[in-house]
Amino acid sequence: AQKVTQAQTEISVVEKEDVTLDCVYETRDTTYYLFWYKQPPSGELVFLIRRNSFDEQNEISGRYSWNFQKSTSSFNFTITASQVVDSAVYFCALSDFTTSGTYKYIFGTGTRLKVLA
Amino acid sequence: DTGVSQDPRHKITKRGQNVTFRCDPISEHNRLYWYRQTLGQGPEFLTYFQNEAQLEKSRLLSDRFSAERPKGSFSTLEIQRTEQGDSAMYLCASSLDSREGHLFFGPGTRLTVL
Repeated sequence: AQKVTQAQTEISVVEKEDVTLDCVYETRDTTYYLFWYKQPPSGELVFLIRRNSFDEQNEISGRYSWNFQKSTSSFNFTITASQVVDSAVYFCALSDFTTSGTYKYIFGTGTRLKVLA
Repeated sequence: DTGVSQDPRHKITKRGQNVTFRCDPISEHNRLYWYRQTLGQGPEFLTYFQNEAQLEKSRLLSDRFSAERPKGSFSTLEIQRTEQGDSAMYLCASSLDSREGHLFFGPGTRLTVL
């Protein structure tokens, strides 16, 4: 069954520390897409990144970087030199085909990141 | 581009009452999704539309829930005979019709059933 697991429920770090958020997924598909979303205290989910299953290149965007490893079914997210504004809940998601031939997005339970000043 | 909007933002109702929420997606997006999010959990899929066709419904969606998207534009989610367990944030999202398209979320409607 398709599933996204974020084992870390909550992480607290001190500002300027690096932090990695883990995401492990399960799917039968050979073609799929993985996503990370951020949900700040204001509540609205914001898209961060998308990765397709054929592209295992790591990606860096400013202080954010993502490590996709098909061999371990993981898509981890690292924030370098964390800042208080990074405090939010982060969700990993998988776009997967359904039995009816369409696709839908499945979310993990999220990791709450608290960055302390 | 005004983003995805939802109305109302908050709804308090008594058990047994019916409630209806509205979602206006980004205008060029033909896919529209409804999710439910409870405290400490990720968004749970409820249903989605491609244009006006409802293509998938979660087993979470009991007979008391119904969604429509007339003319493939805005969508409504109705909950009949609300129960306290229906209390949650109801999120609407839209996307382009491609698997790689990511979801654009609205601000959500927070439902409290007393």
